[in-house]
Amino acid sequence: EAGVAQSPRYKIIEKRQSVAFWCNPISGHATLYWYQQILGQGPKLLIQFQNNGVVDDSQLPKDRFSAERLKGVDSTLKIQPAKLEDSAVYLCASSLVEEQFFGPGTRLTVL
Amino acid sequence: RKEVEQDPGPFNVPEGATVAFNCTYSNSASQSFFWYRQDCRKEPKLLMSVYSSGNEDGRFTAQLNRASQYISLLIRDSKLSDSATYLCVVEYSSASKIIFGSGTRLSIRP
Repeated sequence: EAGVAQSPRYKIIEKRQSVAFWCNPISGHATLYWYQQILGQGPKLLIQFQNNGVVDDSQLPKDRFSAERLKGVDSTLKIQPAKLEDSAVYLCASSLVEEQFFGPGTRLTVL
Repeated sequence: RKEVEQDPGPFNVPEGATVAFNCTYSNSASQSFFWYRQDCRKEPKLLMSVYSSGNEDGRFTAQLNRASQYISLLIRDSKLSDSATYLCVVEYSSASKIIFGSGTRLSIRP
């Protein structure tokens, strides 16, 4: 069974630029999550989708971050404009019931 | 106070030793609890769910203490391959809120 796919794997941008990440969850998984993991910390939930509806986006910095999950399958997370403190690994996960399956993540460096 | 707290470690123990970690949570409305394992520069993977009655999976035992608001993970007969960061996860189903702890680093030495 294919796992959660994410692209790109690495991205280096300068501050104030824009960036977008893509995630394709495991087929049939209704729930999709985006996390931000800063070095030395645990993942922080940014947004959770159930199909194409938002369940929780309370920790998403909405002035610069946006996410969508059109058609309830794959999803994109965008940062515009990026700040230095956005440097982190962005993890996408999907679940059918309880267990979350994570993708390999996108490592973002903002210079 | 953080909603989910873990001792960051690192715990450095010899192969074959028994090691235990605790994770405390602040919200008594928490409903689901999990331990995830994360290897260096890899994604987290579910190690085990934590049930009120406690659960065991081979060398791993997880316990939940609702009165004191903590969960624990016990690893017996530790192997070199157990070296990783162990993340505690607390979920508030009513609010659809998921919180990861910062993780406890474990290093097993030969």
